[in-house]
Amino acid sequence: EVQLVESGGGLVQPGGSLRVSCAASGFIFSTYWMVWFRQTPGRGLEWVGNIKPDGSEKNYVDSVRGRFTISRDNARTSVFLQMNSLRAEDTAIYYCARGIYADYGADFWGQGTMVTVSS
Amino acid sequence: QTVVTQEPSLTVSPGGTVTLTCASSTGAVTSSYYPNWFQQKPGQAPRALIYSTSKKHSWTPVRFSGSLLGGKAALTLSGVQPEDEAEYYCLLYYGSAQTWVFGGGTKVTVL
Repeated sequence: EVQLVESGGGLVQPGGSLRVSCAASGFIFSTYWMVWFRQTPGRGLEWVGNIKPDGSEKNYVDSVRGRFTISRDNARTSVFLQMNSLRAEDTAIYYCARGIYADYGADFWGQGTMVTVSS
Repeated sequence: QTVVTQEPSLTVSPGGTVTLTCASSTGAVTSSYYPNWFQQKPGQAPRALIYSTSKKHSWTPVRFSGSLLGGKAALTLSGVQPEDEAEYYCLLYYGSAQTWVFGGGTKVTVL
């Protein structure tokens, strides 16, 4: 059974940093792209970025490029989202998801972790 | 800035058929946008329904189908069930920028 479990969310001050993690199980992690999405009541769902199976390629939405970094540890079957210079508008539920093998999109999603940026 | 547009809300009767659409501000949506569709119910994470325009996941009910219609991606629900009441989101791939963009979502009410 595919499982994705996010952790590390919480309250952080504007300008601060936070790293959220996603522990994966139930599939061959090292062969899948992994994706981060986020969701806010006001702005709906947003694709944040993704990372290639071997970690050699990463893509980001413009609003986080240069501030957020996606990484992965295939030995620990985990993917990470390092968020720096956080802003109030980064407040959201952050979801990790699995990319679709040999195709485009996302299939399995985690339950999400809440990140609140506020003083 | 690329904008993906969906109908804000649609209402359908039980057993009826409804089609949701997904348009891109850049022009006609083609298979190269690899449209994905997701269903989300209150308090839950989104659930994938359709990928690459019309491909179904193993758990996708038969009554859900994806297509291209009039320059847009489309999701058709046939024989709607009460449990289909939910928010539906489309997701499009923009290969030149290697980014993905969601639509604003369609709230489907079964009434």
